[in-house]
Amino acid sequence: SYVLTQPPSVSVAPGQTASITCGGNNIGSKSVHWYQQKPGQAPVLVVYDDTSRPSGIPERFSGSKSTNTATLTITRVAAGDEADYYCQVWDSSSDYWVFGAGTKLTVL
Amino acid sequence: QVQLQESGPGLVKPSETLSLTCTVSGVSVTSTTYYWTWIRQPPGKGLEWIGYIYHSGSTNYNPSLKSRVTISLDTSNNQFSLRLTSVTAADTAMYYCARATVPLDYWGQGALVTVSS
Repeated sequence: SYVLTQPPSVSVAPGQTASITCGGNNIGSKSVHWYQQKPGQAPVLVVYDDTSRPSGIPERFSGSKSTNTATLTITRVAAGDEADYYCQVWDSSSDYWVFGAGTKLTVL
Repeated sequence: QVQLQESGPGLVKPSETLSLTCTVSGVSVTSTTYYWTWIRQPPGKGLEWIGYIYHSGSTNYNPSLKSRVTISLDTSNNQFSLRLTSVTAADTAMYYCARATVPLDYWGQGALVTVSS
């Protein structure tokens, strides 16, 4: 089955830029979606189809992708961005939806 | 606006069947655009896709759960449901229902289900 690899944690100072990676074999051929989950809350979609933002998501959140890695970038990080972030793809070969294990973003 | 709300027992005994319902408002579950999806999250762990149902009634399940899972559609009440049989403590989790076009754009608040005698 398809595997997505995320770092368990990322730390960043307020006002700096956070980059959260999501590795997968030939992930460049798949559409990648990113979710933010704050403690005690349901996940929220923050980036879809690699680079698009849903309505209401700040421009500070952006996505990019290369052959084997997708990246969620958060600029001007604030305390309110502290959360778990998950990447997700649809593995078309198996029609199976896959999540990464999640990355905990800590704002120092 | 679109809203989803999970409902069902919060406590299930081992070997019994977990049943949850998701009530949808603001959009019809017969829409041809969306997949109606269940996801779960064990305490302190990550997200796991359980499966989805399409407006036609066609389904697709996580292979690791496939033998125990059924997702069904109730168009008259604009709901969809999850049944998970032969549960164990490993099935203790927050269960979320969500709408998807593949990205999951609307989620319910979640229902915590504990498997314990």
